[in-house]
Amino acid sequence: EVQLVQSGAEVKKPGESLKISCKGSGYSFTSYWIGWVRQMPGKGLEWMGIIYPGDSDTRYSPSFQGQVTISADKSISTAYLQWSSLKASDTAMYYCARFFIAAAGTSYYFDYWGQGTLVTVSS
Amino acid sequence: QSVLTQPPSVSAAPGQKVTISCSGSSSNIGNNYVSWYQQLPGTAPKLLIYENNKRPSGIPDRFSGSKSGTSATLGITGLQTGDEADYYCGTWDSSLSVSYVFGTGTKVTVL
Repeated sequence: EVQLVQSGAEVKKPGESLKISCKGSGYSFTSYWIGWVRQMPGKGLEWMGIIYPGDSDTRYSPSFQGQVTISADKSISTAYLQWSSLKASDTAMYYCARFFIAAAGTSYYFDYWGQGTLVTVSS
Repeated sequence: QSVLTQPPSVSAAPGQKVTISCSGSSSNIGNNYVSWYQQLPGTAPKLLIYENNKRPSGIPDRFSGSKSGTSATLGITGLQTGDEADYYCGTWDSSLSVSYVFGTGTKVTVL
């Protein structure tokens, strides 16, 4: 059974750093892209970026480029999303999900999702 | 703001049918497959439809998807109270800013 298990909720102050995690199991972690999706309170879904754990190839949404860092440690089947200096506007639920890309390059979708990590940034 | 436009809300009585539209452009829906996600209250999204009209294992055939040109549609028949949720379309966007995009989201209410 494919599972993505995310780290627990975090409460941080503006300016602090943070790294949240997403551990995959039940499939070959290095053979599928992992993506991160933000959902601000009461709002819709936003694609942040993806990483291919097999070779750490990473792509970012222009909206999030330079704002966060996506990484992965394939030895422990875990992907990460990190901030160096949090802002109040980073308060949101963050989901990791397995991102399928068809070989032909026209089919892309998230097929398995983590349970989400709530990040609250407040002074 | 999203490049995929959905109606904010749709509603119908139990047993009825609803359709949700997702409007895009040639840089996204026009040249890529569309997927749909269901987000029940307080839970993570779940894949409902992929490659325009395919259902993952376990998704009932009450849910269907279609695509025509630069628009896609999700249909739900035999509406149930458990279908009350937010629904999002998604696809790849090949414009200058290459990335995956989600629709604005639609709240389905069962009257």
